[in-house]
Amino acid sequence: QLQLQESGSGLVKPSQTLSLTCVVSGGSISSGVYSWSWIRQPPGKGLEWIGYILHGGSTYYNPSLQSRVTMSVDRSKNQFSLNLNSVTAADTAVYYCAAWGNWFDPWGQGILVTVSS
Amino acid sequence: QSALTQPASVSGSPGQSITISCTGTSSDVGGYNYVSWYQQHPGKAPRLMISDVTRRPSGVSNRFSGSKSGNTASLTISGLQAEDEADYYCSSYTNSGAFVLFGGGTKVTVL
Repeated sequence: QLQLQESGSGLVKPSQTLSLTCVVSGGSISSGVYSWSWIRQPPGKGLEWIGYILHGGSTYYNPSLQSRVTMSVDRSKNQFSLNLNSVTAADTAVYYCAAWGNWFDPWGQGILVTVSS
Repeated sequence: QSALTQPASVSGSPGQSITISCTGTSSDVGGYNYVSWYQQHPGKAPRLMISDVTRRPSGVSNRFSGSKSGNTASLTISGLQAEDEADYYCSSYTNSGAFVLFGGGTKVTVL
């Protein structure tokens, strides 16, 4: 059974870079069955798709975040990562990783990232 | 890129049926059968309830069903139960701008 788990810093200073990792267990990140996605949810608000990365490494980002986002895959560790630079308070959110196959399933439990000095 | 449009709230009594709508355009909901629905309880990660407009994953109650007509997709919950009280989000692939859109979410209240 595929499982995903986010990790990373829960507190990031304004203008710095948010970095998160999602470890995949119960399946290979290189299987080609899924793409790997990040989604965020500001406190009390709805879901926002950040982007996804295909098993081959091609990336697709939300245009609203494209200039600040980088995603990558580390096949040796069966994990994928998100970097979001130049963060502001508006980037404070719970960040979820999820497998994407024209739908999001499964999801990680989420990690709250707060942007504050 | 605008989000898909969902009603902010829907309510019903136990045992009743409710329907949540998700309206998009021909570039997303109307153009592809890649609409999915997610249930989210407070403090929890979203859970896939419906994929590909009508497909119910293993483990999801058959009280949940999905449909689509034109640019509007719908999630119907029949035999409403207290445990169905949650936020529900629709999502769709889009060929315009972003590749994936979410709806703004609908809060379901069981009276």
